[in-house]
This record gives sequence, structure tokens and C-alpha cells, in this order.
Amino acid sequence: EDKVVQSPLSLVVHEGDTVTLNCSYEVTNFRSLLWYKQEKKAPTFLFMLTSSGIEKKSGRLSSILDKKELSSILNITATQTGDSAIYLCAVDNNAGNMLTFGGGTRLMVKP
Amino acid sequence: EPEVTQTPSHQVTQMGQEVILRCVPISNHLYFYWYRQILGQKVEFLVSFYNNEISEKSEIFDDQFSVERPDGSNFTLKIRSTKLEDSAMYFCASKFRTSSYEQYFGPGTRLTVT
Repeated sequence: EDKVVQSPLSLVVHEGDTVTLNCSYEVTNFRSLLWYKQEKKAPTFLFMLTSSGIEKKSGRLSSILDKKELSSILNITATQTGDSAIYLCAVDNNAGNMLTFGGGTRLMVKP
Repeated sequence: EPEVTQTPSHQVTQMGQEVILRCVPISNHLYFYWYRQILGQKVEFLVSFYNNEISEKSEIFDDQFSVERPDGSNFTLKIRSTKLEDSAMYFCASKFRTSSYEQYFGPGTRLTVT
């Protein structure tokens, strides 16, 4: 059975801190790993990673995939209160017919 | 920017009733999905749909569930006889094509079965 595990479960930081969120996976027919941000409702897309070692970056957020270690990290630098959300990791397998999600990391950024 | 839309945003129904959740995927997308998220739990895959047929479904997607693309824009999820445990947030998602493209999610329909 495919499995995606995220850590930590939750995290409380202060504005300006840097955070690292972890995702590990055990899936068959790995295609890509995706990070989503879930605030109130719909997960909103952040990054899709397919190749090991290539960092994807968007503003203060960055992510990298390690296929050897079957893991990925999501970094957020200079955190802001607007970064408070649940961050979801998901793996796309089996020719893209489904995403398997981890349980998420709940990030709270205090002013 | 194109987005996935879903209606209604909240549906309350009695146990045993049929419900239809509606989605309008992004217009040039070819792959469609339903996921659900029970409060406090993981987002779970239900079904994927491509070329007017189901391409993958999970164990959750039993005979009580069905999907349909009745026209060129809508994508629906029907639950024939709702149970209390069907209470969840249901997300529709769509993807352009192939595994190189990310899935975009709609805002969800919160289904409450009483």
C-alpha cells in the first residue's frame, strides 16, 4: 500500500523564523511529488518535483526531492503570519491517475 | 486565472438520501478527480475519470458512488444512499494531461449527513 508520511505534525514559530517541513514516501511507480498549501478549504498548488536534487523556488518557499532517500523537504524562510496553514505533500503515481496524500503539517506563525 | 468551481459549498442531507455534488473543471483539462477529506483526517482519493470513463477508483468508491460528465463542462459525484460516515469535504480536481501536470483543486463541498 502506498504511504506518504509528513513531519512534524504541527509547528509553531514566530514571524521571521525559517521552517523545514518533511515528507517521506513509499509508493510504487513514482511519478512526481507535489506540495500543496491548505488554508480554509481547497489545497492550493505550490510545487511539483520530479527530478532528484533540483530545487524549485517561489519567493520565500523552496522545495527539493531526494529520490534516493524517498523524501522531500519544503523550506519557508522569513515566515509571515500569512504562511499559517496546513502544508500537504502528495505523490502522483500510476500514470497520474491519483494522488496519495500525507497527513499534513500544521504550521502556525505567530506575530 | 481559470479555476475549478464546485456547487453547493455546503449540503446537508438526511441519511439514506441521494446527493449530487457538482464540479466544473478547468475548461481545457482532460483528467478529473474526486477526493474527500473527513474532518481532521487525510485527503483521500476516490476516483479518476478520463475520456468519459473511470480510470481508477479507490476502495472507498463502492457501488453507492457514481460519477458522470453529463455535458462538456460539468463533472458530478452522486452518492445514492448517504450514510453518516459520508460526512466530509469533497474536493473535485482537474489536470490538463499526462503525469507532468499538477492537479488543481476546487473549493470543496462540505457534505453533512444527519
